[in-house]
Amino acid sequence: KQEVTQIPAALSVPEGENLVLNCSFTDSAIYNLQWFRQDPGKGLTSLLLIQSSQREQTSGRLNASLDKSSGRSTLYIAASQPGDSATYLCAVSPHNFNKFYFGSGTKLNVKP
Amino acid sequence: DGGITQSPKYLFRKEGQNVTLSCEQNLNHDAMYWYRQDPGQGLRLIYYSQIVNDFQKGDIAEGYSVSREKKESFPLTVTSAQKNPTAFYLCASIATSGDGELFFGEGSRLTVL
Repeated sequence: KQEVTQIPAALSVPEGENLVLNCSFTDSAIYNLQWFRQDPGKGLTSLLLIQSSQREQTSGRLNASLDKSSGRSTLYIAASQPGDSATYLCAVSPHNFNKFYFGSGTKLNVKP
Repeated sequence: DGGITQSPKYLFRKEGQNVTLSCEQNLNHDAMYWYRQDPGQGLRLIYYSQIVNDFQKGDIAEGYSVSREKKESFPLTVTSAQKNPTAFYLCASIATSGDGELFFGEGSRLTVL
């Protein structure tokens, strides 16, 4: 059974720092990996989608990498801002899309 | 704009009552999902549907029911058999023939009094 783990569970950093969030998964037979952001009381917003054949994706200050063979992904946030404060979740998808496996998330607090 | 609409956003019900949460998407996605989110437990799959008139149980289907009569709609009924229904419910969808990007609605918070 696929298991997804996110470390750390919580992170507090001063504004302007670069930071890395980690996501690991146990089964490398994935179709894609997706990073989401969730604000309190809201739904999940897709940040980056990496197909299994890709190594990384970038959007603005965000960069996500994927090492499928080792079962790891990282989300790099450059020059963090207070507006980046949220919970970040990763999810992996099997090829038949019958289920997405989510990590428990990393709660990020960026202090002004 | 295309997206997923969940309603109501907040719902209060007494114990023993059935409630139905609405999920409508105009993304022309074929697959739809219902997740439950509880503090400290992450997202758990309740039901999913990949085609109209067909749906499958997820990990925590007991006490819930769904229907998929139209491609764009996937309502979830929380029945009185669900022992602990107070939670945040999230609907999601994808186009299985595309890149597999999962989209979510804004969620519905159900509180049972």
